[in-house]
Amino acid sequence: GAGVSQSPRYKVTKRGQDVALRCDPISGHVSLYWYRQALGQGPEFLTYFNYEAQQDKSGLPNDRFSAERPEGSISTLTIQRTEQRDSAMYRCASSFSPTNEKLFFGSGTQLSVL
Amino acid sequence: DQQVKQNSPSLSVQEGRISILNCDYTNSMFDYFLWYKKYPAEGPTFLISISSIKDKNEDGRFTVFLNKSAKHLSLHIVPSQPGDSAVYFCAAKAPGSGGSEKLVFGKGTKLTVNP
Repeated sequence: GAGVSQSPRYKVTKRGQDVALRCDPISGHVSLYWYRQALGQGPEFLTYFNYEAQQDKSGLPNDRFSAERPEGSISTLTIQRTEQRDSAMYRCASSFSPTNEKLFFGSGTQLSVL
Repeated sequence: DQQVKQNSPSLSVQEGRISILNCDYTNSMFDYFLWYKKYPAEGPTFLISISSIKDKNEDGRFTVFLNKSAKHLSLHIVPSQPGDSAVYFCAAKAPGSGGSEKLVFGKGTKLTVNP
């Protein structure tokens, strides 16, 4: 596609529910990143893939958070047993190669946990 | 601890004047720096970058200056235009585990250019 696509645009869920956030990167981009952005803050690194391999998940806050990219394209970030503190904008980004620092960001998924 | 700091949450300038956005960092391992621009309801978009082996990079109205000894960089916009009104994020590339190239972002500075 023309840009990084994320869905849903908004997600409202009740505490304790699981959510799955989807990212469709720019076609041909090898690297895919997940970031989280709280209000008034910059994006905070969560995890990173090269092709289908998860290279770095050091930013995932706890084991309720997981991500996958099974075919090296679309990625899903899953949050189990959501808590109110998980509410934030979740942003996906992709880059052409692992050594290309220029990330292309999607518009994000705004998650609200009630 | 904030490794990339943008100490000015907001900046207001007059159209045609220079806008200077500042960024400080603490990690001496950072070797590449980027500025991203973000409009409301959109994701951040890449604006300009600089490698740590340079002290200046220019692209049209945008110039980034890097002072490694002071661990400081700045973005200059000359002349400023109303369409430049956005939130500007400073980011730095940190070596990560598994060869990852994750970026560390500052909190952003909201620039308003008044007509």
